[in-house]
Amino acid sequence: EPEVTQTPSHQVTQMGQEVILRCVPISNHLYFYWYRQILGQKVEFLVSFYNNEISEKSEIFDDQFSVERPDGSNFTLKIRSTKLEDSAMYFCASGEGATDTQYFGPGTRLTVL
Amino acid sequence: QKEVEQDPGPLSVPEGAIVSLNCTYSNSAFQYFMWYRQYSRKGPELLMYTYSSGNKEDGRFTAQVDKSSKYISLFIRDSQPSDSATYLCAMSPRPFMDTGRRALTFGSGTRLQVQP
Repeated sequence: EPEVTQTPSHQVTQMGQEVILRCVPISNHLYFYWYRQILGQKVEFLVSFYNNEISEKSEIFDDQFSVERPDGSNFTLKIRSTKLEDSAMYFCASGEGATDTQYFGPGTRLTVL
Repeated sequence: QKEVEQDPGPLSVPEGAIVSLNCTYSNSAFQYFMWYRQYSRKGPELLMYTYSSGNKEDGRFTAQVDKSSKYISLFIRDSQPSDSATYLCAMSPRPFMDTGRRALTFGSGTRLQVQP
């Protein structure tokens, strides 16, 4: 069964450093998302991406964040200058678009020291 | 008032019990409703989705939506220890014909423990 994959599973970085989180969505899906979950809190929407552009973003997704689909298979989230409060699980999701169902990857745990 | 409210639990039941998990919401624009299961430190796994009001059944799982009461439920029949996880409700205000704007709003999750 096709699934969303994410790398790395765990990323440790120093405050102020740039990180890139990578995702490979399900191959025939057209809609791509990033969510985050701070430990013990609810899953929060960051951004959606469709037709090679951002279609929606939350207040969390400020100028420090960017997304890219550099080729036909990868979808990345970049945090330019990480802060302590960026420590969280980051989930990539994809959807085929016929319904609102979104399929999540296993997540990348980001730890900012 | 939070947009989506969900009792955090934990909810502890014996194996074989019927489990009822619920969410309430305040945004009347929500039209798509989903239930995800999340094991510790893993990604949410889609269990059920429904559009608008009504019931949907899939094996041991039944999802129920009552838009008039802004209330959704997930029932698990014959619960198993492997069902022990956190259950997340999620919902979207966008009809499926919209173009790419499908941000999901999640509840905080209910932790379920099924005792063998």
